[in-house]
Amino acid sequence: GDSVTQMEGPVTLSEEAFLTINCTYTATGYPSLFWYVQYPGEGLQLLLKATKADDKGSNKGFEATYRKETTSFHLEKGSVQVSDSAVYFCALPYSSASKIIFGSGTRLSIRP
Amino acid sequence: DTGVSQNPRHKITKRGQNVTFRCDPISEHNRLYWYRQTLGQGPEFLTYFQNEAQLEKSRLLSDRFSAERPKGSFSTLEIQRTEQGDSAMYLCASSTSTGGEKLFFGSGTQLSVL
Repeated sequence: GDSVTQMEGPVTLSEEAFLTINCTYTATGYPSLFWYVQYPGEGLQLLLKATKADDKGSNKGFEATYRKETTSFHLEKGSVQVSDSAVYFCALPYSSASKIIFGSGTRLSIRP
Repeated sequence: DTGVSQNPRHKITKRGQNVTFRCDPISEHNRLYWYRQTLGQGPEFLTYFQNEAQLEKSRLLSDRFSAERPKGSFSTLEIQRTEQGDSAMYLCASSTSTGGEKLFFGSGTQLSVL
């Protein structure tokens, strides 16, 4: 069935470092793809999305490109900040978009 | 817009007891979802409502679990005869039917079954 697999954490980086969090997916067709983020003590929130192949989603300096040839949707940021410390989830809609399924999450910690 | 509200934030119970959680979605959202999240895992889908109709239930949802959304507004999730394996964070999310891919999550109810 449809699924997402993302790199395991935790990931610890220094401030201003380059970030990549890998995500690959298995799906029937070409669904939209998402990154959700969960900041400490808060609910999950949508960070960015891409709706079709070769689309690039972006928000808050984060980017992810929908690559159908590699079935990937890796999250990148050129210069991370302490405030980016959170858990990041790759996700895709399932069952005619009636629900969303999530990867296992990657915890990111940024050192000042 | 106060966001999705869940109560209580924490619940500690003894094995075999019943517990009930409440979710108040964003007022104009007609879709409401329940998810369960355990440590180190992503949220797992449990069930969802469109207005008051429960349209889908996961196979993860045993007969001990029941969810309601009687007036198409708030929802309750009840777990009967709790087991230690039920310990998890229970998340509620809501969305519009046209923006169903963008979910708005509450902060969750952390259940600990002793």
